[in-house]
Amino acid sequence: GESVGLHLPTLSVQEGDNSIINCAYSNSASDYFIWYKQESGKGPQFIIDIRSNMDKRQGQRVTVLLNKTVKHLSLQIAATQPGDSAVYFCADEGMNTGFQKLVFGTGTRLLVSP
Amino acid sequence: EPEVTQTPSHQVTQMGQEVILRCVPISNHLYFYWYRQILGQKVEFLVSFYNNEISEKSEIFDDQFSVERPDGSNFTLKIRSTKLEDSAMYFCASSLQGNEKLFFGSGTQLSVL
Repeated sequence: GESVGLHLPTLSVQEGDNSIINCAYSNSASDYFIWYKQESGKGPQFIIDIRSNMDKRQGQRVTVLLNKTVKHLSLQIAATQPGDSAVYFCADEGMNTGFQKLVFGTGTRLLVSP
Repeated sequence: EPEVTQTPSHQVTQMGQEVILRCVPISNHLYFYWYRQILGQKVEFLVSFYNNEISEKSEIFDDQFSVERPDGSNFTLKIRSTKLEDSAMYFCASSLQGNEKLFFGSGTQLSVL
C-alpha cells in the first residue's frame, strides 16, 4: 500500500545548528510533496512544498530536497531556533486526484535546546 | 492572516450520541476538507468537499459520517452515532484551489466515552 514514513521519531539539536528531517515515500506516482509543522494544540501549519519536476526548493530558513530516484524527501532548517520545536510531517498528494487528499507521515519531533 | 476556525475546541460525548463539529473555512476558499488524528497516529484524510458535494472520501468516512455547508461560511462534520474509536482530533482545512496548499484549523478534540 501507499505510505509516507519518517526515519527518526525525535531529533534533538542545539539552537543555531542546522536541522535535517528525513522522509521516505512509497508512491512513485506522487507529484506533490509538502512539509507541515505542528505545534502542541494546533493544526498542521504549511512550511514548504515541492513538485516532482523539481529537486530543491528554498524558503525562508528552510530547504526541501526531493530525490525521486530513492523516493526520499528532506527538510533542512537553517540556524534552528527554539520556536522551531514542533512535530514535522511530510505529506504527499496520494493518488493525485486534483484534490488535496494528503497522505501524512508519522511525524518527527524536533527539540531545540537553547 | 486569515485562518480556519473550528468550534468547539473540545467535545466530550457518550457513545451512540450524535456530534456536529463546526468549521469556518477561509472566506474565499472553494475546497474544504476534514482530516483526523488519533492520538499518537498519523493525520488521516476523511473527506474533501467542493461545489456543495463530496468530491472524495476515505474508507473511514462511512455512513455514520456526513458533511454539510449549510450557509456561505460554515462547514460541518456530523457523526450520527459515535463510537469509542471515533475519539480523535478532527481538523478542518480549506484551500483556494484544489491543487493548492491546505490551511488547517486548530482542531476539535473529540472524546467518546
